[in-house]
Amino acid sequence: KAGVTQTPRYLIKTRGQQVTLSCSPISGHRSVSWYQQTPGQGLQFLFEYFSETQRNKGNFPGRFSGRQFSNSRSEMNVSTLELGDSALYLCASSLGPGGYGYTFGSGTRLTVV
Amino acid sequence: DQQVKQNSPSLSVQEGRISILNCDYTNSMFDYFLWYKKYPAEGPTFLISISSIKDKNEDGRFTVFLNKSAKHLSLHIVPSQPGDSAVYFCAATNNAGNMLTFGGGTRLMVKP
Repeated sequence: KAGVTQTPRYLIKTRGQQVTLSCSPISGHRSVSWYQQTPGQGLQFLFEYFSETQRNKGNFPGRFSGRQFSNSRSEMNVSTLELGDSALYLCASSLGPGGYGYTFGSGTRLTVV
Repeated sequence: DQQVKQNSPSLSVQEGRISILNCDYTNSMFDYFLWYKKYPAEGPTFLISISSIKDKNEDGRFTVFLNKSAKHLSLHIVPSQPGDSAVYFCAATNNAGNMLTFGGGTRLMVKP
């Protein structure tokens, strides 16, 4: 079966712009979580969606938002981009809520210039 | 406040020898621990996990040890192979099925 698909793979944006990243989970998976990976910081939890509801949110400013659609696909949006938002954004899906059984996508590499 | 820490950013090991990757945590509510392996330009892939009711779990060349009193876990890879060269992340969660909290990662280099 197809894995977790994230689009686009690479993105370059200018400071102040906004960006939308997309994640299609494994078929049948209803939970989607987003993580930010920066050098030296490991993976920082952004938020988790389960059945179209945000179930958990990490410690990120309100410029970071997300949503989940009825087909479980998820998008995350970052507004007013800052240089420090440059990172690899990873999406993980699982059958149920929580961190058990995560399957990660390959990520979207966002560069803010 | 980093609840999960991997204090060694990198580790170099000779092929055939043992690789030991360490991880410490501070949150006593964590009761399930996982190790992920990550190659460049790919997402992390699940390697092995352990529940807090156990102190050891084995899967082929990979063994994870958990010392709850010390809040410490380690991943042993024996024997190490060049294909094991990657970044290894430990992660933890609690019984409520909350999100995973990751350590900063350890880059393992296995030299032929």
